[in-house]
Formats: sequence, C-alpha cells, structure tokens
Amino acid sequence: GQQVMQIPQYQHVQEGEDFTTYCNSSTTLSNIQWYKQRPGGHPVFLIQLVKSGEVKKQKRLTFQFGEAKKNSSLHITATQTTDVGTYFCALNAGNNRKLIWGLGTSLAVNP
Amino acid sequence: ETGVTQTPRHLVMGMTNKKSLKCEQHLGHNAMYWYKQSAKKPLELMFVYSLEERVENNSVPSRFSPECPNSSHLFLHLHTLQPEDSALYLCASSQDPAGAYNEQFFGPGTRLTVL
Repeated sequence: GQQVMQIPQYQHVQEGEDFTTYCNSSTTLSNIQWYKQRPGGHPVFLIQLVKSGEVKKQKRLTFQFGEAKKNSSLHITATQTTDVGTYFCALNAGNNRKLIWGLGTSLAVNP
Repeated sequence: ETGVTQTPRHLVMGMTNKKSLKCEQHLGHNAMYWYKQSAKKPLELMFVYSLEERVENNSVPSRFSPECPNSSHLFLHLHTLQPEDSALYLCASSQDPAGAYNEQFFGPGTRLTVL
C-alpha cells in the first residue's frame, strides 16, 4: 500500500531560525495537503498542491511539490513562537477518496 | 471556530459502558469523517460518509458504530471499549464527496479515556 514518510519527527529551533519539514511518498500523487495542529488543538488546513513543481507562499511559509509529484516540503522563514505546533502532510494517490496522513513534524520554538 | 462542533469534549468511560460522540457541521458540506488520533501514530481514518451513505470503513472494530442521520450530523456509538481505544476522536467535513481533493474542516475533538 501507499506509504508516506515525514521528516523530521521533531524540530527545536530558536526564534528567527528557519524550519523545513519534508514529506515523501512511495507512489506518484494526485495532490497533497498540509495541515497545522497547535498543541491541544485540531488540524487546520494550510494549503493544497496539485501541479508538478508547484510552489505556493503564505507569508513566511513556502510550500513545494516535487517535479515527480512524489514529495513535498514546507519551509518557514524566520520562525516565531506562533509557529509552534505539529505540521502534517496528507496525501492522495488518486485511487480512492481518502487522504493518507504523515506522522507529522512537531515544531518547538525557543523565544 | 471552524463550523464543526463536537460533544462531549472529554469523556471517561468504563469498558462496559455505552456512550456516543456527536459531531455537527454548519458548513453545508457533503462528506463527514471520523478520525482517531493517538500519540506517535498518524491520523487514522475510521469512517467516511458521503451524502449520508457510508463509503469507507477502515477495518474498524465493531465496538465502534457510526451513524449519519443527515448530512449535518454524525455520531460514533461506543460500547465495550478497550483501554487502547483511549485517544482523541476527531470529526471532519468537506465539501466534495470525494474527500481527497478539498480541504477538510476538523472539529475540536473528543478526548476519550477508557478505564
């Protein structure tokens, strides 16, 4: 079955440092979604990527979809304490209606 | 506030109890989902309802029984649970019946503890 690997599992940074999490799939994807879950909260949708090589930006967040549509990354520039939380990728290989979720990357930011 | 509400927010139950989790979405969506979130595990999809019809059942034990009386409401009936069922149960909804092409809106979750 389809497998998804998300790395790193944890990341601890100083405020102002950059942060990147990576999501890799064993199969070619139709689309990928990214979600953020704050501590004690629930997942909140951030973005969806559909096209090969697509790059989307949301303020300090940059999302990329690989050319082969098998991997994706989320990069945060100059982290702030409000960025704390767990970032999940959710994959769709297109063969069914459900998303396959990564384990998430937990980000901690030291002020 | 995402437009998806869940009650109760916390639940403690014994293994012989019967309880129900409730989810309501106010977004006019067509699909609703139950997920289980446990520590150090990916989100586990349990059930998917599209236009009130169950379209996905991920080999979930029969002690979990979903019910979708209409497109706005979703229930998860629990009976004779095990301690390993303790987790955060999340409800979500999406506009597209296919589910994997549109964003999912999550409720705040029910933190379940089985003693």
